Amino acid sequence: KAGVTQTPRYLIKTRGQQVTLSCSPISGHRSVSWYQQTPGQGLQFLFEYFSETQRNKGNFPGRFSGRQFSNSRSEMNVSTLELGDSALYLCASSLAEGGFNEQFFGPGTRLTVL
Amino acid sequence: AQTVTQSQPEMSVQEAETVTLSCTYDTSENNYYLFWYKQPPSRQMILVIRQEAYKQQNATENRFSVNFQKAAKSFSLKISDSQLGDTAMYFCAFMNNAGNMLTFGGGTRLMVKP
Repeated sequence: KAGVTQTPRYLIKTRGQQVTLSCSPISGHRSVSWYQQTPGQGLQFLFEYFSETQRNKGNFPGRFSGRQFSNSRSEMNVSTLELGDSALYLCASSLAEGGFNEQFFGPGTRLTVL
Repeated sequence: AQTVTQSQPEMSVQEAETVTLSCTYDTSENNYYLFWYKQPPSRQMILVIRQEAYKQQNATENRFSVNFQKAAKSFSLKISDSQLGDTAMYFCAFMNNAGNMLTFGGGTRLMVKP
């Protein structure tokens, strides 16, 4: 079974631009979560989507948004990019069938904002 | 809100020896899950071991074991017979019983020396 895939793997943008990152979960997984990893703030939860609905949200400004499609693929969008948005963005998928659900992580998208 | 603290930013160990990584957490919940994740230089997050809070028995996975002290809110990871491939960042993480959101500690960079 294929793992979680994220595209693109690397991205360079300039301040003020917007960016869209994509995550394809493991087949059959219905939940997708997004995390931001930076040297200063560490790993922080952005949001989680389940059945096309945002179920949980972290403490990030409204410039960060996401969505999930009917095939469980998810995208996250960051508008009006700032230098501080430079980070590794990780997505993770899980079955989300009650009780414990292991989260499987993708390889990440490295975003650099110049 | 939950917090996870890893007090050792960096550690090193000789190959074949044993090392223990520390983690403490704070929560008011009674049912939750704790995890140790490994992030090698490739940046791929890999689940090493998990512990359900309602289980008194400490989890073990081959060379990896945990010391879970619920009352003290402590969750340390012991790596026995350290191997060069264990060199990585290790993150302690918390998940409550209700959601799919992981709260991560700041990480411990482990170097295994030949």
